[in-house]
Amino acid sequence: GAGVSQSPSNKVTEKGKDVELRCDPISGHTALYWYRQSLGQGLEFLIYFQGNSAPDKSGLPSDRFSAERTGGSVSTLTIQRTQQEDSAVYLCASRNRGPSGNTIYFGEGSWLTVV
Amino acid sequence: SQQGEEDPQALSIQEGENATMNCSYKTSINNLQWYRQNSGRGLVHLILIRSNEREKHSGRLRVTLDTSKKSSSLLITASRAADTASYFCATDSYSGAGSYQLTFGKGTKLSVIP
Repeated sequence: GAGVSQSPSNKVTEKGKDVELRCDPISGHTALYWYRQSLGQGLEFLIYFQGNSAPDKSGLPSDRFSAERTGGSVSTLTIQRTQQEDSAVYLCASRNRGPSGNTIYFGEGSWLTVV
Repeated sequence: SQQGEEDPQALSIQEGENATMNCSYKTSINNLQWYRQNSGRGLVHLILIRSNEREKHSGRLRVTLDTSKKSSSLLITASRAADTASYFCATDSYSGAGSYQLTFGKGTKLSVIP
């Protein structure tokens, strides 16, 4: 696609349920990032994938959070046993680490509400 | 942890005035980027300034970078109501093991009054 695509756009889930958020990066981009943004706050880094390298998981807040990137393209962020404090916008971004530039492109985000 | 810290947190100006937002950071960087966000959704890239550059322009935007002070500023000239948004700086730095971190500040919420 032309841009970073995320789904679902909005998700309301009950506390304790698992959720999966999907990100489809720009074709050919080797780097993929997940961020979380609580209402009125800045972006909190969660995880970073670069090519076939081991992902940088240093930002994941707990072991309830995990992410994978299959075939170097689509990524899924999974939150198990959701809690109310998990409510936030989850933003995915991708970029090409080649010489053409370092601009990062964001999707529109997935707004998660845990009730 | 937040690398970039924007200042002020909120800014309200009249249409036509200039808006200046500042960003400070703590560690060495490859480059610094400014983004705009409308209504809490996706961020849009505005401008990138590399660590060996001191000033960059793009339309009504002017960005400066002072690596000795670890600070950057974003100037929007002749502001318009449509510039109302949140603005974030992000520092791009190598964090080891092939990982390039893009770390965001908490943003400046700009309101341009018509």
